[in-house]
Amino acid sequence: GESVGLHLPTLSVQEGDNSIINCAYSNSASDYFIWYKQESGKGPQFIIDIRSNMDKRQGQRVTVLLNKTVKHLSLQIAATQPGDSAVYFCAEISESTSYGKLTFGQGTILTVHP
Amino acid sequence: GAVVSQHPSWVICKSGTSVKIECRSLDFQATTMFWYRQFPKQSLMLMATSNEGSKATYEQGVEKDKFLINHASLTLSTLTVTSAHPEDSSFYICSARDSGFLTDTQYFGPGTRLTVL
Repeated sequence: GESVGLHLPTLSVQEGDNSIINCAYSNSASDYFIWYKQESGKGPQFIIDIRSNMDKRQGQRVTVLLNKTVKHLSLQIAATQPGDSAVYFCAEISESTSYGKLTFGQGTILTVHP
Repeated sequence: GAVVSQHPSWVICKSGTSVKIECRSLDFQATTMFWYRQFPKQSLMLMATSNEGSKATYEQGVEKDKFLINHASLTLSTLTVTSAHPEDSSFYICSARDSGFLTDTQYFGPGTRLTVL
């Protein structure tokens, strides 16, 4: 089922620092993972994805790491900017699930201070 | 990337009225769309999976008679909140699945803020 959090974890960083946002998942059958960024009052925006046959994937300023052994996912943002301030969600899909239903994690609030 | 739109972006209604929210995939066809609800400072909760030409699949605890979903075409799904009450006030977000030969990605709409007075 979905993950619901009443108090989202928060991460505060200074502009220019690197940020690491973590996510734990519970379904060992999940084989596709996505990180989304959600700004206030907007829908989630795709950042980067990774399949279970990989342990690392890099994008522009972002890197996703997957550790299937401990069922852990992380998003690394290099040289964090004020515009990166948002809520970040990880999501997982099991290919055995019909229609690609996403299960969202709790979310982390990232605040970048100038 | 692909674009998904929602209409309206916000709506205020009186208790007991019904509200329809539209979700459109603008540049791709989506056989599957999803409807989520999000309360402040919480994660997205999947309400239902909408499949073109067939009945929606609702998540446990979601009343299908209260949240009517219609996916009449490959680019449009609608969510109707019937007899809305203040506890239905929330941020409703849809997503559309773009699944082709080389892709399988969900794109999210901008959300609809529903306030029931």
